[in-house]
Amino acid sequence: NAGVMQNPRHLVRRRGQEARLRCSPMKGHSHVYWYRQLPEEGLKFMVYLQKENIIDESGMPKERFSAEFPKEGPSILRIQQVVRGDSAAYFCASSPSIVTYEQYFGPGTRLTVT
Amino acid sequence: AQRVTQPEKLLSVFKGAPVELKCNYSYSGSPELFWYVQYSRQRLQLLLRHISRESIKGFTADLNKGETSFHLKKPFAQEEDSAMYYCALSGGSGGSNYKLTFGKGTLLTVNP
Repeated sequence: NAGVMQNPRHLVRRRGQEARLRCSPMKGHSHVYWYRQLPEEGLKFMVYLQKENIIDESGMPKERFSAEFPKEGPSILRIQQVVRGDSAAYFCASSPSIVTYEQYFGPGTRLTVT
Repeated sequence: AQRVTQPEKLLSVFKGAPVELKCNYSYSGSPELFWYVQYSRQRLQLLLRHISRESIKGFTADLNKGETSFHLKKPFAQEEDSAMYYCALSGGSGGSNYKLTFGKGTLLTVNP
């Protein structure tokens, strides 16, 4: 099992562009979580998805951010019209169930907005 | 609101010395606490959780509800313990205990 995969590992976008971050959960995992780590901060919960459903998006900024986990394919975190404050590391985790300690993390995508 | 505080950004010890990484939390309910570790160029991985009361790689952590602390300890540090350590808390309103709240992390360096 290759573990949680995220791509790209590094992404550079100019202000106003769109950023798409992908996460492929571990095989057999149907629960996906996205976390954001701003510079000098801890990871912060953004959104929890199951296949085709957003379960909890309470940590997502109200505008420009969206997430999906389609029936087929990876989970996508989409940031429209990026601003410098979006520069951060974005981590995806997956789990086979809702039990917290079973969250397995991906390597993260480091987004830099210039 | 739940919060996790790791007061030390950096911690440097010599090999063989005891090490303690501090973690304090605030949470209104019954928390579940974890320590995660990220070695250089590797992904974040779970080190231990308070419910299991186990020792992993010689590390232990005891939940002290009176002091709202969950410090990570190891009696004799090894060079391979050098890594970033994050304390995390699981909890949320309405049973949303899948949400992990992380501290800012402590970078441990074990010198030879």
